[in-house]
Amino acid sequence: AQRVTQPEKLLSVFKGAPVELKCNYSYSGSPELFWYVQYSRQRLQLLLRHISRESIKGFTADLNKGETSFHLKKPFAQEEDSAMYYCALREGGTSYGKLTFGQGTILTVHP
Amino acid sequence: DARVTQTPRHKVTEMGQEVTMRCQPILGHNTVFWYRQTMMQGLELLAYFRNRAPLDDSGMPKDRFSAEMPDATLATLKIQPSEPRDSAVYFCASGLQGQGKNYGYTFGSGTRLTVV
Repeated sequence: AQRVTQPEKLLSVFKGAPVELKCNYSYSGSPELFWYVQYSRQRLQLLLRHISRESIKGFTADLNKGETSFHLKKPFAQEEDSAMYYCALREGGTSYGKLTFGQGTILTVHP
Repeated sequence: DARVTQTPRHKVTEMGQEVTMRCQPILGHNTVFWYRQTMMQGLELLAYFRNRAPLDDSGMPKDRFSAEMPDATLATLKIQPSEPRDSAVYFCASGLQGQGKNYGYTFGSGTRLTVV
C-alpha cells in the first residue's frame, strides 16, 4: 500500500537559515509527488509538483527515486514561511488520482 | 480565481445529532475528495468521487458516515449520529483527471466541526 512519511512533526529555524522538510514515500508504481502548504487556519494550497520542476517562493523539491524521497528545501527561510507543510502522493493504475498525505510538518521561522 | 466552496464554515452540534457538510467543486472538475484533518492524524482521506461515482470510501466509518454527489455541482458528507471524536476540520478538494489532463487539486476552506 502507498505510504507517505514526514518524520518531523515540528521544525524550527531562524530567519535566513536553510530549511529542509523531509518526505519519504512507499509506492509500487510510478509516483507523482506534491507539496501543499497550509497557513494558519487557511485552506491547503498547492506549493510544488515534482513533474513541474519549478521553484515557488524560493522552495524546490527533487524526486529521488533511489531513496524514495521528495524533500522540500529553501536556502534562506523567511518568517512568512511559517506554516504547516504536507507532502502528498498521487497514485496511478486502478486508484488513479487518489491523493495520500503525510502527517505534516509545522515549520516555525523565528526572527 | 475559481474556488471550492464549503458550507458551513463552522458547526457546533450536540452528540447524537445529524451533521451535513456541503461542497461545491470547481465547475468542470470531475474528481472530488473529502478529507478530515486532526492534530493527531493529520489529513485522512475519507472518500473520493470521479464523475460523481464513488471510487474509494475505505477511510470512512461506514456505520455513521455517508458521502454522496447528487449532482456535479454538489458533494455532501453526512454524519449520523455525530460523536465528540468526530470533531475535526473537514476539507473538500476538487480536480480534473483523465483525458491527458493531470493537475493539482484545489481545496476548500474547510468545515470546522465541534461535537459536544
